[in-house]
Amino acid sequence: ETGVTQTPRHLVMGMTNKKSLKCEQHLGHNAMYWYKQSAKKPLELMFVYNFKEQTENNSVPSRFSPECPNSSHLFLHLHTLQPEDSALYLCASSQVRSGELFFGEGSRLTVL
Amino acid sequence: KQEVTQIPAALSVPEGENLVLNCSFTDSAIYNLQWFRQDPGKGLTSLLLIQSSQREQTSGRLNASLDKSSGRSTLYIAASQPGDSATYLCAVARNAGGTSYGKLTFGQGTILTVHP
Repeated sequence: ETGVTQTPRHLVMGMTNKKSLKCEQHLGHNAMYWYKQSAKKPLELMFVYNFKEQTENNSVPSRFSPECPNSSHLFLHLHTLQPEDSALYLCASSQVRSGELFFGEGSRLTVL
Repeated sequence: KQEVTQIPAALSVPEGENLVLNCSFTDSAIYNLQWFRQDPGKGLTSLLLIQSSQREQTSGRLNASLDKSSGRSTLYIAASQPGDSATYLCAVARNAGGTSYGKLTFGQGTILTVHP
């Protein structure tokens, strides 16, 4: 079993849909992250959760809503997205203070 | 604001060559620097992590160096193989009072192709 698991791997949604991305880590870490990778752009940090508490929101539009019910699970709820939100969404985890991140395989999102 | 630049953007080499990928960053107040590998359509695989107090790290055929004062890191790949073909990403973590909180700033990556 991989350390960080993301589902679904691929998602196609219309602009009026509501969907969620799920991330689960099996590494015993206490920090989880959402990063976004768009074509032709470097990876961008979206949200940081330390010990289930959100500590960073990198000016992300409210149509992206994260949820972290415990240190092992992280969700990204999506609603009324725009086509420019199409990207690879990557989840990562680490121990707080270690700074070494481990990433999942990503969820490829296409917004029509 | 931290900016990370990777040179070259793309590199194509024959199998067996030794090669160097470059990464530069503008703010030397970093907590650590991490090199990743990304295969097409996949997530990131951590290759090497260098803490700000370290000068280099080695893993197998990979060696990464860090010169914090000049804002540079290099990833050296020895005896390259076709299986090394991938995008290589450099990322720096900001030093926030002695920790990083995982806030990485990434470069655009170097696309490496090793042909047989």
